[in-house]
Formats: sequence, C-alpha cells, structure tokens
Amino acid sequence: DQQVKQNSPSLSVQEGRISILNCDYTNSMFDYFLWYKKYPAEGPTFLISISSIKDKNEDGRFTVFLNKSAKHLSLHIVPSQPGDSAVYFCAASEDAGKSTFGDGTTLTVKP
Amino acid sequence: NAGVTQTPKFRILKIGQSMTLQCTQDMNHNYMYWYRQDPGMGLKLIYYSVGAGITDKGEVPNGYNVSRSTTEDFPLRLELAAPSQTSVYFCASSRTPGQGAHEQYFGPGTRLTVT
Repeated sequence: DQQVKQNSPSLSVQEGRISILNCDYTNSMFDYFLWYKKYPAEGPTFLISISSIKDKNEDGRFTVFLNKSAKHLSLHIVPSQPGDSAVYFCAASEDAGKSTFGDGTTLTVKP
Repeated sequence: NAGVTQTPKFRILKIGQSMTLQCTQDMNHNYMYWYRQDPGMGLKLIYYSVGAGITDKGEVPNGYNVSRSTTEDFPLRLELAAPSQTSVYFCASSRTPGQGAHEQYFGPGTRLTVT
C-alpha cells in the first residue's frame, strides 16, 4: 500500500501562470513533509518543507500548503518559469528521519 | 564542499556478478541513506544508517548489504546481481532529524544495468 501518492504523473503550464502539484498521504504518523525537484541525470534537490504543526510555508515563488484533516499537501509555484520544468517528488517523514516518497509529477513549463 | 559523491556513474554487470557502489559525504551528517529509483517510480529506501557502526533495513533490502565504518562513507554492496536490480541508485545524507532538519542531500546517482 503506497503511503504517499502523487496522482498526476504530469502537468503542463504556461510560463508566468501558477503550477499546482498535489500529494496525498495515508499515514497519520507523518509529521514532516518535503518537496524535492529532480532534473534528468541528477539527484533530487530539496525545495521546500513543512512541519505538521503548520498549514503553510512560503519561500519565494514556492508555497506548500498542508491540510492535515484531508491528509493532503500541495506545492504552488508562482509565477512558473521554464527552468522549473523537472520532476517534483513529494516526501513524508516521521521523527525517525526515514522519508517515504511519492512517484513524482513531471512539470513542463512552456515559454 | 563537494556534498554527496557517488562512484561509479554508470556500470553494466553480468548476472551473478558482484559490485560495490561507493558513497561519501563531507557535511559531517550522521544519517545516510541508499535509495533505488526504477523508471516512472519514486525512490525506494534500501538501507539507512543513523551513525557509524549502525545500519538498518529499509523498504527493499533484499539482495543488498551495507556497512558504515566511518561518518563519511556508506558503501552499498550488491551480491549475485540480478536483472531486477537494474535501476538508478541514489545515496543521500541528512543531519539528525529532530533538530529541525529533515531534508536530505542527494548524490548524482549510479545507473546500473544487469544483463
């Protein structure tokens, strides 16, 4: 049973518009949520995170929203840029540090 | 500060051969991890370590072994390679969780093909 799910394998948006990537989880013990970005032939890089005690965290163009009751989080990118085109992974962790990853969403930002 | 380095970048193995994937980090992180990523899938945890001398199994440990003799190094050993182990392998490290830092730092990956 997959504990972290990204139900959209791909997303295409126009440059300058908002990108919204979604993630659902099932394990209520997760207390920390992270987004990673991955370019081809490179390792994932950390983008932004949120603790379960918060419902929003913002860093420049990137905002993560957490809805604990729905076990849902989303990543908003505004405005989207062509350089944002990559695979985005949602991850969730408990205090032990191990992270469980979703299967990723490929974002394409068209000029 | 090189971060997390992995060698080799690519490797082709024959069925039944063995090899060691090397991973080194220079950030003095206590936690280190090995993941594999199959096409179109997320990262699956193979093994992890919370410090030198301490290792534990992740989600998909069968066919692999690890050791952690130093803080910096966390090699992954494949014994009797099988086609099912064809994948991209990522090593990662992190500070001790609970200190407000859960993010992991990843190496560039090793692309392994077993034929």
